[in-house]
Amino acid sequence: GDSVTQKEGLVTLTEGLPVMLNCTYQTIYSNAFLFWYVHYLNESPRLLLKSSTDNKRTEHQGFHATLHKSSSSFHLQKSSAQLSDSALYYCALRETGNTGKLIFGLGTTLQVQP
Amino acid sequence: GGIITQTPKFLIGQEGQKLTLKCQQNFNHDTMYWYRQDSGKGLRLIYYSITENDLQKGDLSEGYDASREKKSSFSLTVTSAQKNEMAVFLCASTPGLGQDTQYFGPGTRLLVL
Repeated sequence: GDSVTQKEGLVTLTEGLPVMLNCTYQTIYSNAFLFWYVHYLNESPRLLLKSSTDNKRTEHQGFHATLHKSSSSFHLQKSSAQLSDSALYYCALRETGNTGKLIFGLGTTLQVQP
Repeated sequence: GGIITQTPKFLIGQEGQKLTLKCQQNFNHDTMYWYRQDSGKGLRLIYYSITENDLQKGDLSEGYDASREKKSSFSLTVTSAQKNEMAVFLCASTPGLGQDTQYFGPGTRLLVL
């Protein structure tokens, strides 16, 4: 079945350093649709990025990700971390069969330190 | 724009108690979802509703009931609260089944004593 893997539960880094949060997925659906949601403390989770286009970079609010179907990956990156980026990040895959359901990874907590 | 509200914000219950969580959205979205968020376990789908009066079980439906009384509201009931249970329940909606972006509410935090 479909699945999403976020290997890192916690990523801690210093402000100004680059961010990379890993996401890989498994699906039989050739038209994979991937998402990154961000959940800041005391706020609602919200969409950060989404893509279904192979090898095309998608950007929003300083973050970017590229869907690579050859390696089934959709890693989230940012060139320079800010303290305000500290949050819980979820990678998600739209389930095969167009049910509209999302399959979420376990989430990665990003802690940015001064 | 629109908003999703969830009530209550915090819920403290007793073991064995039946507890109801409510979700309202004014996006006029057809599809609504209930997720459970546990630390280190991601977001797990409990129930979803494609449209008014529809109910579909998610992966975590055992121990829960749901009700889609009208298009704008979707309730979740914990049928028998488990002792020491602690979780956040998130409601979400999308314009229709297969539509991309899910919009989330702020969550209800449950603690069972």
